[in-house]
Amino acid sequence: GENVEQHPSTLSVQEGDSAVIKCTYSDSASNYFPWYKQELGKRPQLIIDIRSNVGEKKDQRIAVTLNKTAKHFSLHITETQPEDSAVYFCAVHSGGSYIPTFGRGTSLIVHP
Amino acid sequence: GAVVSQHPSRVICKSGTSVKIECRSLDFQATTMFWYRQFPKKSLMLMATSNEGSKATYEQGVEKDKFLINHASLTLSTLTVTSAHPEDSSFYICSAPPPVGGREGNIQYFGAGTRLSVL
Repeated sequence: GENVEQHPSTLSVQEGDSAVIKCTYSDSASNYFPWYKQELGKRPQLIIDIRSNVGEKKDQRIAVTLNKTAKHFSLHITETQPEDSAVYFCAVHSGGSYIPTFGRGTSLIVHP
Repeated sequence: GAVVSQHPSRVICKSGTSVKIECRSLDFQATTMFWYRQFPKKSLMLMATSNEGSKATYEQGVEKDKFLINHASLTLSTLTVTSAHPEDSSFYICSAPPPVGGREGNIQYFGAGTRLSVL
């Protein structure tokens, strides 16, 4: 089955700095890579996603890059704000499957 | 986007009782729903896939008789934790994929989660 590794497990930054979270996967047939943000006690919410035919996607302060050859993708948050503090999960879908494999999560803490 | 409603949001119960959690798709039909368990500061662990009109598919290590799943209609799936014990205390979340053929692709729509505390 798919194996997803996510790093770091905890990331602490100062407000205004950039944050980068990385995920690697094992199945070369994987083709959909969403990122979810989960605030404490709340549901995960999709913040950005990328498909295997695209190398980079950006939405305001958030961007995702995908390297299919190396089988890794990264979440980039620029100009971080305290409200960005949350747990971020990467996920991987293989071959159009609706069932994602989640990374372990990264707890992002943005200090004002 | 689509909305998935999950109830209750929090349950506190005595050891030995059974607890039912409901997950409803409000504006779309969901033939498949997923049930996850999440420990504090941990990732989402898929417990089972709920299929409308047929038996649920459980992940390895998940007790079928402990976690009963019923997908009675195209908009409702329930998870019943039977004879709950303190070790069952956790955050349970359901999710549903968008309708087949929709433009949303593989996006998962999550319920708000249920925090179960077994005393």
